[in-house]
Amino acid sequence: QVQLVQSGTEVKKAGASLKVSCKVSGYTLSNQGVTWVRQAPGQGLEWMGWISGHNGNTNYAQNFQGRVTMTTDTSRNTAYMELRNLRSDDTAVYFCARGWRVNYFDFWGQGTRVTVSS
Amino acid sequence: QSALTQPASVSGSPGQSITLSCTKTSSDFGGYSSVSWYQQHPGKAPQLIIYDVSLRSLGVSYRFSGFQAGNTASLTISGLQAEDEADYFCSSFIGGDTVIFGGGTKLTV
Repeated sequence: QVQLVQSGTEVKKAGASLKVSCKVSGYTLSNQGVTWVRQAPGQGLEWMGWISGHNGNTNYAQNFQGRVTMTTDTSRNTAYMELRNLRSDDTAVYFCARGWRVNYFDFWGQGTRVTVSS
Repeated sequence: QSALTQPASVSGSPGQSITLSCTKTSSDFGGYSSVSWYQQHPGKAPQLIIYDVSLRSLGVSYRFSGFQAGNTASLTISGLQAEDEADYFCSSFIGGDTVIFGGGTKLTV
C-alpha cells in the first residue's frame, strides 16, 4: 500500500527557511520520484517542481527557481523540499505526491501546513 | 496566469448530471499532454479521479467520466450525490517538464 507521510505543521518568520519531509512507503523512491504542490488558503493548487528518485534530477517551477531545493534520501525513502527566504505569501499547505515527469499524481501526502509571519 | 481555465463554481441537485470544463487558454507552451482531474474535499489532500483524459483511477465510481473535445477537457459526474460536493482541479503536463493546474471549480450539491 503506497503511502506518503509528511512532517508536521510549521510556523516561520519571514526571511527564514523551511524544510518539509515526505517519507514514502509501498514503493521505492529510487524508481519513481516525488512532486511538490502547494495550496495557499482558499486558493488552488500550485505545482512547485519535482525530483527524480533515480538520479536526483530536478525541475522547478519558474516561480520558485532560486528559492527552492528538492532532495531525496533513498536510504530513508524520504524526499525533502526546502524553501528559503520565506515571505508571508508562502503561507500554504504543502503536499508531496508520487511522480516525476508524469501527467498525473496518484498518491498524495497528507499535507504540511506552513504559516509565515512577519 | 493559469493556462487551464475552469469555472469558479458549479451547482447541481442530487441525482442530476453535471459537467465541469477545463479549457486550455495559452498558446505559449510547447504542447499539452492528457488532462487529469482531482477531487479535493475541505482540509484533505487532492485525490486523483481521472487521468489520460478519460481513465478512472482505481476505486473511483463509474459516475465520474472524462472526455476532451478540441481545447476543452470535461469531467461529467452523473447521479450527483452529496459526497460529490468538493473542489475539482484539472491538470496537464506541458512543455515536456512542467505541470499546470486549473484554478479549480467548487461543486455545490
